[in-house]
Amino acid sequence: GDSVTQMEGPVTLSEEACLTINCTYTATGYPSLFWYVQYPGEGLQLLLKATKADDKGSNKGFEATYRKETTSFHLEKGSVQVSDSAVYFCALSDQGTGGFKTIFGAGTRLFVKA
Amino acid sequence: SAVISQKPSRDICQRGTSLTIQCQVDSQVTMMFWYRQQPGQSLTLIATANQGSEATYESGFVIDKFPISRPNLTFSTLTVSNMSPEDSSIYLCSVVLGRETQYFGPGTRLLVL
Repeated sequence: GDSVTQMEGPVTLSEEACLTINCTYTATGYPSLFWYVQYPGEGLQLLLKATKADDKGSNKGFEATYRKETTSFHLEKGSVQVSDSAVYFCALSDQGTGGFKTIFGAGTRLFVKA
Repeated sequence: SAVISQKPSRDICQRGTSLTIQCQVDSQVTMMFWYRQQPGQSLTLIATANQGSEATYESGFVIDKFPISRPNLTFSTLTVSNMSPEDSSIYLCSVVLGRETQYFGPGTRLLVL
């Protein structure tokens, strides 16, 4: 079945450091790919998405490119801030014959130190 | 995007009691879901809330424990019945807009003593 694997955390960075959170997926169809962010004490917020191969999603300085050849959707940011401290979830969604489904990764906790 | 509200935002309950969580969306949506997020974990789908018919439950979740109502396209409730400490989690309502983009409510944080 479909699955999403993302790097284990926690990831601890200093402010202004570069961030990469790896995410790879397996899917039988042609899913859309997403990154969600969960700030402490809050629900999930959609951070960015890409719906087809080679699409790049971007938001708030974060980027991720849908790479079909490597089945990856790595999250990157050039300079993190303390306010980026949160849990990040990679996910895929597909509308197939079995209906709509979303598969979430395990989540990666990011701590950014001042 | 959709604006999704949930009530209550948090609660502390005694074991053996039940709690009903409400989810309100600011627009009509076809697909609505309920998730559970146990402490430090990812999201687990409980069920799809179907308007006008019984909810569709995922493996490991049953209607007697998690009854769901969906009276219209903007509102749903999830009840956590006969609670035990293992039910302590965040419960999240979610909707799908467009082709495959999912949006989440702020969650209900439940602690069962």
